[in-house]
Amino acid sequence: AQSVTQPDIHITVSEGASLELRCNYSYGATPYLFWYVQSPGQGLQLLLKYFSGDTLVQGIKGFEAEFKRSQSSFNLRKPSVHWSDAAEYFCAVGAGLTGGGNKLTFGTGTQLKVEL
Amino acid sequence: DAGVTQSPTHLIKTRGQQVTLRCSPKSGHDTVSWYQQALGQGPQFIFQYYEEEERQRGNFPDRFSGHQFPNYSSELNVNALLLGDSALYLCASSGPKVADTQYFGPGTRLTVL
Repeated sequence: AQSVTQPDIHITVSEGASLELRCNYSYGATPYLFWYVQSPGQGLQLLLKYFSGDTLVQGIKGFEAEFKRSQSSFNLRKPSVHWSDAAEYFCAVGAGLTGGGNKLTFGTGTQLKVEL
Repeated sequence: DAGVTQSPTHLIKTRGQQVTLRCSPKSGHDTVSWYQQALGQGPQFIFQYYEEEERQRGNFPDRFSGHQFPNYSSELNVNALLLGDSALYLCASSGPKVADTQYFGPGTRLTVL
């Protein structure tokens, strides 16, 4: 069965500083990997996804993530954090279902706080 | 283009009652998945519907059931509510393929007293 580990429950960075959120996954085949962001009381917004090809993927809001198969990691990065980036970030792995479709397995999330 | 919509936004029920949550998928999507997000946790997969059939179920009891209508909208029903069912229930829609991305609605916050 697939699983996702996000080792950092809370992270605090200063506005303008760089950010890296860690994600490690366990999955037997080539994974579909996602990062979603959730603001308080809201649903999940897709930041970026990796299916295949280039291991460095670009997303919305200036975020990027790098897939490293040897380390089973898919860390999220941003070179300069803005106060509006404060939110909870979830890494997820997608597993194919019999007959099509996929189900997502999420990590427990990393709460990002941005200090002004 | 409307995204995924869910209703109601909030709901308060008492133990033992039954609840129905509703979801309308994003235009062009025909697959609906439901997730439960307990406080401080990541979402957990409940089940997925495609062509009005349950495609797969996660580790949830039979008290959780669903339905998909011909217009691809979906309902999640929970019977015999327990305090532990209090959570944010998220609906996600996508295309039918393995590689299709899931897009989430704003969720329904269920509180069981």
